[in-house]
Amino acid sequence: EAGVAQSPRYKIIEKRQSVAFWCNPISGHATLYWYQQILGQGPKLLIQFQNNGVVDDSQLPKDRFSAERLKGVDSTLKIQPAKLEDSAVYLCASSLILGQGTNEQYFGPGTRLTVT
Amino acid sequence: AQSVSQHNHHVILSEAASLELGCNYSYGGTVNLFWYVQYPGQHLQLLLKYFSGDPLVKGIKGFEAEFIKSKFSFNLRKPSVQWSDTAEYFCAVTPGGSNYKLTFGKGTLLTVNP
Repeated sequence: EAGVAQSPRYKIIEKRQSVAFWCNPISGHATLYWYQQILGQGPKLLIQFQNNGVVDDSQLPKDRFSAERLKGVDSTLKIQPAKLEDSAVYLCASSLILGQGTNEQYFGPGTRLTVT
Repeated sequence: AQSVSQHNHHVILSEAASLELGCNYSYGGTVNLFWYVQYPGQHLQLLLKYFSGDPLVKGIKGFEAEFIKSKFSFNLRKPSVQWSDTAEYFCAVTPGGSNYKLTFGKGTLLTVNP
């Protein structure tokens, strides 16, 4: 079974530029998550999709971050404009069905973003 | 909102030593509890999980964790560590009945010296 795919793996941009990350979840997984992991901290949930609908985006900085999952499969996360504090690893995860307590979240390798 | 506290930032052990990593959470209701591990250069993967039933949970690679409800704790243990256990370990919690909105601790880096 193929895992969660993410690209690019690394990205370096200057502040005020824009950047986009792509995620392809495990086939058949209805729920997709984006996390931000700042160095020295645990991952923090940014947004959660169930199919192509947003379930929770309460921790997404909506003035600069946006995410979509138009066809209920792959997803993109965008930052525009980027700030220095956005430097982090952006993790994508997927699971079978929201609300099923025994479902495991499977994580991708992450995209390491450096904003200079 | 729930939160997770991991007591140790960096733990250094020799091979064959016993391991216990502390994890405390704050949440008033029932919870699901997880330990994730990230080996060098690899992605996060599930080590073990607790949803209900026996509070002593066994995971992969000889790890186990005990849920003590009265202490709001879910400590990770292994009787004898190996060099290959060198990794970062994250404790995480979600409200009971779902697996969404995982809240992670800051992680504990474990270094095992051969």
